[in-house]
Amino acid sequence: ETGVTQTPRHLVMGMTNKKSLKCEQHLGHNAMYWYKQSAKKPLELMFVYNFKEQTENNSVPSRFSPECPNSSHLFLHLHTLQPEDSALYLCASSQGGPRPLHFGNGTRLTVT
Amino acid sequence: KNQVEQSPQSLIILEGKNCTLQCNYTVSPFSNLRWYKQDTGRGPVSLTIMTFSENTKSNGRYTATLDADTKQSSLHITASQLSDSASYICVVTPMKTSYDKVIFGPGTSLSVIP
Repeated sequence: ETGVTQTPRHLVMGMTNKKSLKCEQHLGHNAMYWYKQSAKKPLELMFVYNFKEQTENNSVPSRFSPECPNSSHLFLHLHTLQPEDSALYLCASSQGGPRPLHFGNGTRLTVT
Repeated sequence: KNQVEQSPQSLIILEGKNCTLQCNYTVSPFSNLRWYKQDTGRGPVSLTIMTFSENTKSNGRYTATLDADTKQSSLHITASQLSDSASYICVVTPMKTSYDKVIFGPGTSLSVIP
């Protein structure tokens, strides 16, 4: 059982839909992250929140909109996505410093 | 540009055999190097971490080595099991950066067959 829970596990959406990904961490960590993982590519950092404040927006298109209402919850709101946005979206949390990232099991997103 | 490369891209081995995965990086200076294991349909899980001053770290059948002079790390898996089938990702944290600036390699996909 991972300390970071993501829902849904799978999502298929059309290009005109609006959907949201949810992440919850039960580890008491200060920082939460969204990563995009595409086949055979390194993980791409999308957003970072530290104590609920966004500290990183890695040139992500505005069709991806993060929300962090508290240090335990993180959302990724999706609208008018493109087929190339199909990927595994991973949420992670950490206590900062050299401590490891703790990942959720991801949401497999398919944009049709 | 800071980069992390891994080889091979994929590997198939027989159950019980040993194997070694390679990681080359250009990140310098760096704070630590970590290996993650990612099972299919799961998020990555940390296996080992080494600081720049360490040259080996073990976790059960997994042994990671680090040569800071040649900027290479390897992950050796001994007596492989079917459950070792996964993607193995090398991750380097640059020195004196915020903790979210880790650099991921593309991973090596390992398949262990009976």
